[in-house]
Amino acid sequence: KQEVTQIPAALSVPEGENLVLNCSFTDSAIYNLQWFRQDPGKGLTSLLLIQSSQREQTSGRLNASLDKSSGRSTLYIAASQPGDSATYLCAVEMDSNYQLIWGAGTKLIIKP
Amino acid sequence: NAGVTQTPKFQVLKTGQSMTLQCAQDMNHEYMSWYRQDPGMGLRLIHYSVGAGITDQGEVPNGYNVSRSTTEDFPLRLLSAAPSQTSVYFCASSYLTSGPDDEQFFGPGTRLTVL
Repeated sequence: KQEVTQIPAALSVPEGENLVLNCSFTDSAIYNLQWFRQDPGKGLTSLLLIQSSQREQTSGRLNASLDKSSGRSTLYIAASQPGDSATYLCAVEMDSNYQLIWGAGTKLIIKP
Repeated sequence: NAGVTQTPKFQVLKTGQSMTLQCAQDMNHEYMSWYRQDPGMGLRLIHYSVGAGITDQGEVPNGYNVSRSTTEDFPLRLLSAAPSQTSVYFCASSYLTSGPDDEQFFGPGTRLTVL
C-alpha cells in the first residue's frame, strides 16, 4: 500500500531564505506527483505536477524535482516571502486512476 | 468561470441527522471526487465519479452516498451523521486526460461538526 510522508510537519524560516520541502513515497510505481498549497480555511491550489517520466517542473520561484527510484520529491522555494506561508501538501497518483494519495503536509511559516 | 464551488462552508449537525454537501464545477470536467481532511492526516478519498451516472468508492466510503446525475454536480450525502464524520470535506474535479492536464482543482471546503 502506497504511503506518502512529509517531513518536517512544520518549518519556520526567515524571509529571503531558499528552502526545500520533502516528500517521500514507498511505492515507486507512480503515475504522477503533485504539490499543492493550502491556506488556512481555504481550499487547495495546485502548484506543480510532475509526470512519472519527468525529473522536474518549475513555476516562478518554485521548482519541484522527482526521483522515482528513491521514492522522493522535493519542492524548492527560492527567496522566500511572508506570502509563501501556508501548508504544502504532496500527493501521488497511481496507475492513472485519478485517485490521489496524500502526505499530511508541511506547515511553512516565513518570518518577516 | 467559478471553478469548483461547495456549499455550505460550515455546518453543525446532531448525531443521527442527515444532510447533503453540494459540489458543482463549471469546467466540464469528467472526473469529480470527495475527500475528507482530518488533523495530522493526509486527505482521504471518500467517493469519486468519472462521468454522469458513474460513481465508485474510495478509501473511506462508509456512511456516505453520492450520485452524479449531471456533469456539473456531485453531491455528497451523509445518511446518519456520527461524531467520527467531523472533518473538513473537499470536492475536486479534473479532466480525464493523460498528461499535463491531469491537474485537479479543489473547492474551498465544507467544515462539518457532528455533536
